[in-house]
Amino acid sequence: EIVLTQSPGTLSLSPGERATLSCRASQSISSSYLAWYQQKLGQAPRLLIYGASSRATGIPDRFSGSGSGTDFTLTISRLEPEDFAVYYCQEYGISLGYTFGQGTKLEIK
Amino acid sequence: EVQLVESGGGLVKPGESLRLSCVASGFTFSNAWMSWVRQAPGKGLEWVGRIKSKTDGETRDFAAPVKGRFTISRDDSQNTLYLQMNSLKIEDTAVYYCTKNKGYGIDVWGQGTTVTVSS
Repeated sequence: EIVLTQSPGTLSLSPGERATLSCRASQSISSSYLAWYQQKLGQAPRLLIYGASSRATGIPDRFSGSGSGTDFTLTISRLEPEDFAVYYCQEYGISLGYTFGQGTKLEIK
Repeated sequence: EVQLVESGGGLVKPGESLRLSCVASGFTFSNAWMSWVRQAPGKGLEWVGRIKSKTDGETRDFAAPVKGRFTISRDDSQNTLYLQMNSLKIEDTAVYYCTKNKGYGIDVWGQGTTVTVSS
């Protein structure tokens, strides 16, 4: 079973700054199987990135994903006030469904 | 508009059963792989289980904590997904999301329905 570890647990930044969120897998996974989600308080999650680097429909280009093997990164190039939320990475397993990381909370500094 | 609307949540006692429903609209439900994902209070996301489309064999897979207690079914004629939860435990308390799976991700989420298991 693959374990996804996200870091940091909490990231405190100001609007306009660049955010870099990390997701590390316990074993190598296909980039095709890695996604990122944003969840705001009291709302359902929203798909941001799939296939490690492809933006979902309607996602601004300030969001980008990268990585391969065991190390993946979500970058928000210039933070907007609406970007402060919790972010989850997720891996797809053919017979094991979806595995999520524990989340990174992005808060306003 | 693509939409998933869950219902059926509520307060139950340990050992009891509950069935959640999810009505889909705005896409071809019969072609979709669907999953349930839950989120315990103040915690992260946990995949519960999935059902493939009839075309793909309607195969079901479940997470270890719920295997043998939960089952998923679908009624393509009613665009409805179900989650039957038996032998509920306190640790099953969570918001349950109905989701549409696309490729290797989840592209549509419902608003969630709350299940509370308490004596």
